Amino acid sequence: GAVVSQHPSWVICKSGTSVKIECRSLDFQATTMFWYRQFPKQSLMLMATSNEGSKATYEQGVEKDKFLINHASLTLSTLTVTSAHPEDSSFYICSARDPGLGPYEQYFGPGTRLTVT
Amino acid sequence: KQEVTQIPAALSVPEGENLVLNCSFTDSAIYNLQWFRQDPGKGLTSLLLIQSSQREQTSGRLNASLDKSSGRSTLYIAASQPGDSATYLCATFPIQGAQKLVFGQGTRLTINP
Repeated sequence: GAVVSQHPSWVICKSGTSVKIECRSLDFQATTMFWYRQFPKQSLMLMATSNEGSKATYEQGVEKDKFLINHASLTLSTLTVTSAHPEDSSFYICSARDPGLGPYEQYFGPGTRLTVT
Repeated sequence: KQEVTQIPAALSVPEGENLVLNCSFTDSAIYNLQWFRQDPGKGLTSLLLIQSSQREQTSGRLNASLDKSSGRSTLYIAASQPGDSATYLCATFPIQGAQKLVFGQGTRLTINP
C-alpha cells in the first residue's frame, strides 16, 4: 500500500516550452503533497507544499510563477515548469501524506528526470 | 532550524563487511527519523522509520538506532552485499517549525565484490 506514481518518468523538452509532471497517490488520499528537486549528487530540496484545494506554499527562492503547482484532487498534484530553460534540468520527486496512514509519514514517487535542451 | 548531517559523504567497503552510517541532527524535538535508499536516477525507497518514542528498528540485515538526547541516528548494515550499493539518506520530521522533512546530504555507499 501507500504507492505514489509520477508521470512521465523522464521528459526532454526544448528551451522556452512548458512541461507538466503528474504525481498520483494510487491507493490513498493525499491531503498534502510535496515537490522536491534534486541536482546530481545532492540531496533533495523542497520546492513547495500543496494541500488539496488550496494554493501551494513555496519555499524561499522558488519562483511560483515558473513552477506552477496544482493539487485539484486528493489523488493528483501537478507541477508545470513554464518557459523551461536548461538550468531547470533536474530530477523532480514528489511525495504525499495521508494523515490516516500516519500524520508524519510521507510516501515518495519514483521521480521524473527533466532535460531541457 | 533543524539541520541534518551525514558523515561520511562517501564510503567504500569490501563485500561481507558490517558497516555503520551516521546521521546527526541539531534539534532533538522530532516526531520521527527515517532512513531512505536511493539508487542512481531513481526515487527514494523508505528503509526504516523510527518514531520518537522508539530506540531502534530492524528490517532484515538493517538496523537503525535513534538517540534523541545526543541528536544521532545510525544505520547498521550487516554482511554487506554489492546490491547494497546506493545513496542512503536520513531525514527527520521536526516538531517545531514547518511541518516538513529535513534531509541530510546522504552517504554514497559502494560495496566492492
